[in-house]
Amino acid sequence: GENVEQHPSTLSVQEGDSAVIKCTYSDSASNYFPWYKQELGKGPQLIIDIRSNVGEKKDQRIAVTLNKTAKHFSLHITETQPEDSAVYFCAASRGWGYQKVTFGTGTKLQVIP
Amino acid sequence: NAGVTQTPKFRVLKTGQSMTLLCAQDMNHEYMYWYRQDPGMGLRLIHYSVGEGTTAKGEVPDGYNVSRLKKQNFLLGLESAAPSQTSVYFCASTDGNSNQPQHFGDGTRLSIL
Repeated sequence: GENVEQHPSTLSVQEGDSAVIKCTYSDSASNYFPWYKQELGKGPQLIIDIRSNVGEKKDQRIAVTLNKTAKHFSLHITETQPEDSAVYFCAASRGWGYQKVTFGTGTKLQVIP
Repeated sequence: NAGVTQTPKFRVLKTGQSMTLLCAQDMNHEYMYWYRQDPGMGLRLIHYSVGEGTTAKGEVPDGYNVSRLKKQNFLLGLESAAPSQTSVYFCASTDGNSNQPQHFGDGTRLSIL
């Protein structure tokens, strides 16, 4: 089955700096890669996703890149703000059928004011 | 629009007791999922359902049962709770179309003493 590895497990950045979280996946058939943000006491919320026919996607301060050949994808947050502090999860799925989604183990991001 | 609602939010059980966690969604989604979240292990799928009246096992189904008698509800049962089932449980749903994100509830924090 699919295996998703996520690094780093914790990340501290100064406010205004950029943060990068990296994930690798094992199943070459995976074609949908969502990123979720989980705030304390809440469930994961989708912040951005990318499909395998796209190499990069941006949404304001957030961007995701995908390298299908190397089977890795990354989340980039620019101009970080204290409200970006949360746990971030990457995930991979084949995007069809019952859509089994395999999650990474999470990155705890701390933005220091 | 409430999205995905989980009840209860917190519960403490003694070993051997039983209980049912309720998940309700108001988005008319076909697919529903139960995950558990443990430190350092991300989200692991317990059971899922692809429609009313259907259920299937995920990657960690032992000790749990589920039912989907109504499309909007997905119940997770623990027949005889064990300390290893202490976790945070999340329910999610999706409409079943390709490449759609899962919508999560805010979780049930369960402690088994």
